[in-house]
Amino acid sequence: EDQVTQSPEALRLQEGESSSLNCSYTVSGLRGLFWYRQDPGKGPEFLFTLYSAGEEKEKERLKATLTKKESFLHITAPKPEDSATYLCAVQATFDTDKLIFGTGTRLQVFP
Amino acid sequence: DTAVSQTPKYLVTQMGNDKSIKCEQNLGHDTMYWYKQDSKKFLKIMFSYNNKELIINETVPNRFSPKSPDKAHLNLHINSLELGDSAVYFCASSHWETQYFGPGTRLLVL
Repeated sequence: EDQVTQSPEALRLQEGESSSLNCSYTVSGLRGLFWYRQDPGKGPEFLFTLYSAGEEKEKERLKATLTKKESFLHITAPKPEDSATYLCAVQATFDTDKLIFGTGTRLQVFP
Repeated sequence: DTAVSQTPKYLVTQMGNDKSIKCEQNLGHDTMYWYKQDSKKFLKIMFSYNNKELIINETVPNRFSPKSPDKAHLNLHINSLELGDSAVYFCASSHWETQYFGPGTRLLVL
């Protein structure tokens, strides 16, 4: 069964303290791995899509990487405005378009 | 210039009632989805439509019925609401793989 596990559940960082969020996945065939950011009371906001192992994508202080079993979202010198829940999802090659989500990592960055 | 919009934003209702949630996208996408996010923030697919045709129907009770009048709209009708239906419902749309989500409808069943 296709599955996504994210860790840690929650992460508290001091402003400027870099860290990484983990997304482990099991999928029959990976069509894409997606990272979203969700602020309280809002819908998930698309960040990145990764398609194959070794691929990396960056956006401001965020960098997403992908291996055959997991993805990392690296946050460099975070700011309080980076506080949000970060969701990881996979899309399987032979299973239509549905996204299978993990339960997310709730990130809090303190000044 | 809202991309994916949903109405209403909040919905408070009694058990047994019937309610509808509406979704519209102005992105020109062919595929639209409904997801449910439970109290633990877990997002799970319910339905998807491609150009008005039902593509995904995950194990959702028959009380939930999606309807797509055209490819820019996907509505969700829920009959005989139960306490366990309380959740946030998100609409999404996509052209290729990437899905873009609406702001959500917070449903509370009393």
